[in-house]
Amino acid sequence: DTAVSQTPKYLVTQMGNDKSIKCEQNLGHDTMYWYKQDSKKFLKIMFSYNNKELIINETVPNRFSPKSPDKAHLNLHINSLELGDSAVYFCASSGPNAWTDTQYFGPGTRLTVL
Amino acid sequence: SQQGEEDPQALSIQEGENATMNCSYKTSINNLQWYRQNSGRGLVHLILIRSNEREKHSGRLRVTLDTSKKSSSLLITASRAADTASYFCATDSGSRLTFGEGTQLTVNP
Repeated sequence: DTAVSQTPKYLVTQMGNDKSIKCEQNLGHDTMYWYKQDSKKFLKIMFSYNNKELIINETVPNRFSPKSPDKAHLNLHINSLELGDSAVYFCASSGPNAWTDTQYFGPGTRLTVL
Repeated sequence: SQQGEEDPQALSIQEGENATMNCSYKTSINNLQWYRQNSGRGLVHLILIRSNEREKHSGRLRVTLDTSKKSSSLLITASRAADTASYFCATDSGSRLTFGEGTQLTVNP
């Protein structure tokens, strides 16, 4: 059973399109995250939700909008995609102690914007 | 600014040798965690060391933490080809987990 799952695994799209990435965790965790990993493997946090409430919103263009319908799901919608959005996006989750607890990562979604 | 910086950026060794990776950080931390990332996969947690701990072991892994120097090291003993991956340190400063740039470890059979 996959603890943190993301769909799709690969996403290839044209500039200007709108796309969504979905994330689900079955670990019963309270906190979920979105990270962006660039081509140099640098991993940067974008958003974090705790029990459906946004607790971290890094300096991310407002074209990126996270949505958490319930605490097991955290989706990422991206409007007007740009070339620089090409990266691997990782969803993660952790227990009630948001930063202290181990984070469990999904397999990643490789987004390529043409 | 980026919290964790890792050294070396890349490390290539032979199977059976030990591998040491270092991580330096800038601000006070609650804990420091090490993660592994295999090519094309998500990160997997390896070990967590709290700010009041100096050394921790888990199987072939040994982690040290020196808060006075703001640095940590990860030692993998008796390396195997399957240890080939990127290794990241991540620091918990109380408001978020910040990842370092990672060390790419290649273990040659």
